[in-house]
Amino acid sequence: EVQLVESGGVVVQPGGSLRLSCAASGFTFDDYTMHWVRQAPGKGLEWVSLISWDGGSTYYADSVKGRFTISRDNSKNSLYLQMNSLRTEDTALYYCAKGVTYGSVHSWFDPWGQGTLVTVSS
Amino acid sequence: DIQMTQSPSSVSASVGDRVTITCRASQGISSWLAWYQQKPGKAPKLLIYAASSLQSGVPSRFSGSGSGTDFTLTISSLQPEDFATYYCQQANSFPLYTFGQGTKLEIK
Repeated sequence: EVQLVESGGVVVQPGGSLRLSCAASGFTFDDYTMHWVRQAPGKGLEWVSLISWDGGSTYYADSVKGRFTISRDNSKNSLYLQMNSLRTEDTALYYCAKGVTYGSVHSWFDPWGQGTLVTVSS
Repeated sequence: DIQMTQSPSSVSASVGDRVTITCRASQGISSWLAWYQQKPGKAPKLLIYAASSLQSGVPSRFSGSGSGTDFTLTISSLQPEDFATYYCQQANSFPLYTFGQGTKLEIK
């Protein structure tokens, strides 16, 4: 069974830093692009970042570019999101998701982890 | 960025009803569209991809159609477990994938 389990979400002050982790199992992790998607409380879904199968390519939403860094360790079947200079508007449930990609550029998300909650508040 | 607009934002329906949710893209996205179902406190679940392909394990009462800018998700006969929030997502504009704002399907 494909499984994604996120961890690392906590309450952090504005300007602080945090690293989220996502442990993957049940599939060949290094065959897939991986994504982070977030959902602010009571709001919709926002794509945050993606990383290619080998970690060689990374992309970010404009809202997090320059502050967040996505990475992966294929030897540990793990995905990470380093979050710096956190703002109150970064408060959200952060999901990791496996990318189902066609033609290298068209991607949807399946499955998703259960999410980890990041709260940015003083 | 491609904007995705869903309508309605919420809908009330009864078990056994046929329900249609619409998603409109701000520019053409061919058939690069997915639909997700999200129940309270749960992660989104992929239902439909490539506008009309049913994800494995998803009941056949769910169907998707459309191409270009206009898309629909149809549930042919609502079941109690279908009451949830539904999101569309465009997969055309790499890497800035965007979602609709969601449609909440409630019990009448």
